[in-house]
Amino acid sequence: AQKITQTQPGMFVQEKEAVTLDCTYDTSDPSYGLFWYKQPSSGEMIFLIYQGSYDQQNATEGRYSLNFQKARKSANLVISASQLGDSAMYFCAMGPYAGGTSYGKLTFGQGTILTVHP
Amino acid sequence: DTGVSQDPRHKITKRGQNVTFRCDPISEHNRLYWYRQTLGQGPEFLTYFQNEAQLEKSRLLSDRFSAERPKGSFSTLEIQRTEQGDSAMYLCASGIPLAGGITDTQYFGPGTRLTVL
Repeated sequence: AQKITQTQPGMFVQEKEAVTLDCTYDTSDPSYGLFWYKQPSSGEMIFLIYQGSYDQQNATEGRYSLNFQKARKSANLVISASQLGDSAMYFCAMGPYAGGTSYGKLTFGQGTILTVHP
Repeated sequence: DTGVSQDPRHKITKRGQNVTFRCDPISEHNRLYWYRQTLGQGPEFLTYFQNEAQLEKSRLLSDRFSAERPKGSFSTLEIQRTEQGDSAMYLCASGIPLAGGITDTQYFGPGTRLTVL
């Protein structure tokens, strides 16, 4: 079974500053994918960034980077230069290894609400 | 690329009624997923299609729930004899394998918010 834990119910950050959202995971699968999604108040889940368990380098996508520490089983999201539009719920998720019985299914954490102050 | 669309966006129904939701995936995506999200929680997996084949169903999907994906294009999720506990956001996602074949990036639709009175 896979489990995602997000221990920060809410985070606050000043505009233009960086913020780190924590995510730890647990799985017995040797290979997996880790994802971050943003969910604004409108409700739509927006894909932000992906990290494969086999990737040697941390993933980056614009202002988003994923701090992947495999030994610690953590996959924290770093948002640099926060903007007011970054205020939303953020979910960390894990996908199983291809070829297993649960191919493609995502397991989500409970989310962290990020509020960006002007 | 028009993205994943879902219809309706909101549905209010009385307990005991049947409801059906539709999802249109991104056209070149062969995988389609349904999730349910209750207030303050992350989405929970319900079921998964690859083309027209339903390959996995969660234990959350009781006998009152049925999903189809005829011809491997759009999908429908039907809930029969709705209960108040079915009130949630129902999210559809479509995906395509990432390079290397390990899992896939899923793109979500706007969801259908169901309220059962």
